[in-house]
Amino acid sequence: GAVVSQHPSRVICKSGTSVKIECRSLDFQATTMFWYRQFPKQSLMLMATSNEGSKATYEQGVEKDKFLINHASLTLSTLTVTSAHPEDSSFYICSAYARAGYTFGSGTRLTVV
Amino acid sequence: DQQVKQNSPSLSVQEGRISILNCDYTNSMFDYFLWYKKYPAEGPTFLISISSIKDKNEDGRFTVFLNKSAKHLSLHIVPSQPGDSAVYFCAASARDTGNQFYFGTGTSLTVIP
Repeated sequence: GAVVSQHPSRVICKSGTSVKIECRSLDFQATTMFWYRQFPKQSLMLMATSNEGSKATYEQGVEKDKFLINHASLTLSTLTVTSAHPEDSSFYICSAYARAGYTFGSGTRLTVV
Repeated sequence: DQQVKQNSPSLSVQEGRISILNCDYTNSMFDYFLWYKKYPAEGPTFLISISSIKDKNEDGRFTVFLNKSAKHLSLHIVPSQPGDSAVYFCAASARDTGNQFYFGTGTSLTVIP
């Protein structure tokens, strides 16, 4: 079945540095990738929708200059957290829609120290 | 390979009846399970969870059942209401993986008035 591979699974970085998270669609082409952030009480907040070859669409309240999204190919979308701060520490997860339904990456636990 | 599977992409139920959504998993190390509900253009919202030390958890109209030997969980909604129409995801995690979440592909529930 359709699989989205997300890396890294965990990352610890220093405040002020940037972190890149990759999501690759395996065995299918993901023209659209959704990026989520997990908040308390486990709900996932949609941050942005990335479309291959065009600019991402950000949800209200999400800083596009801080969370850079690149979807340069049909199988790869990246989220870069720039100038990370401790409040950016969270669980980030990507998702794509494939024939069988939504497919999620396994998530990235970001800790900014 | 998909470690969490929802084999029914869609389900239709009459209002007032019971909705049963199913989920199977393959990793015996999973010890925490969640159900999410997703409306169009929104992120998945946490609905209910269950840890592996229990076999049932109830919250209002929603009950989750866990059968560890069969590696199967189900979400029961009784009585079903039209507002329950959404996509439902199950997710699983294991303490030793840093609580990375593995999602199923979702089941689209339609409750018919």
